Amino acid sequence: GQNIDQPTEMTATEGAIVQINCTYQTSGFNGLFWYQQHAGEAPTFLSYNVLDGLEEKGRFSSFLSRSKGYSYLLLKELQMKDSASYLCAHMDSNYQLIWGAGTKLIIKP
Amino acid sequence: IAGITQAPTSQILAAGRRMTLRCTQDMRHNAMYWYRQDLGLGLRLIHYSNTAGTTGKGEVPDGYSVSRANTDDFPLTLASAVPSQTSVYFCASSTGKSGANVLTFGAGSRLTVL
Repeated sequence: GQNIDQPTEMTATEGAIVQINCTYQTSGFNGLFWYQQHAGEAPTFLSYNVLDGLEEKGRFSSFLSRSKGYSYLLLKELQMKDSASYLCAHMDSNYQLIWGAGTKLIIKP
Repeated sequence: IAGITQAPTSQILAAGRRMTLRCTQDMRHNAMYWYRQDLGLGLRLIHYSNTAGTTGKGEVPDGYSVSRANTDDFPLTLASAVPSQTSVYFCASSTGKSGANVLTFGAGSRLTVL
């Protein structure tokens, strides 16, 4: 079967660094996505990993280990506007996205 | 501004009524999708369309139907609404190419079935 797990909620302090983990099980793999979703809004694309390693994009980085079925999203220099839910999704062998339930990130001053 | 437009933004509906959620995109994307999002669950795919004239069933298609008469429009119909269909519905589109198939989402339609 296929499933994808990520923590339900995390809390971090403004200016700090936070790592949001995502683990998945799948019979076929065509990439790992991270989306950001502010409350009451649509998800927006953050990153895509298909090869092992770290992809850096400004304050946000995403890491993938295909052998471990593991990814993380790293957010640096946290800002209050980073308070949102972060959705992990992997693309299966049929190129359909399987979504995690999302991690609600709360940033405190 | 290029993107996806969904309507209505919010709707309260009596059980048993028919409802169509509208979705229009102006990015000339080949693929379109309908998801529902419920608290504590990941986005679940209802139906999708890889190109105009074709549709497919997703993870939770029962009680819903779609059509794709042209590239831009992808309406979702609830033939006879039930309370379990209370949810936030997101329409999305993408180029449909394999690999980094990035989805662009509409703002969502919040549906309450009483």
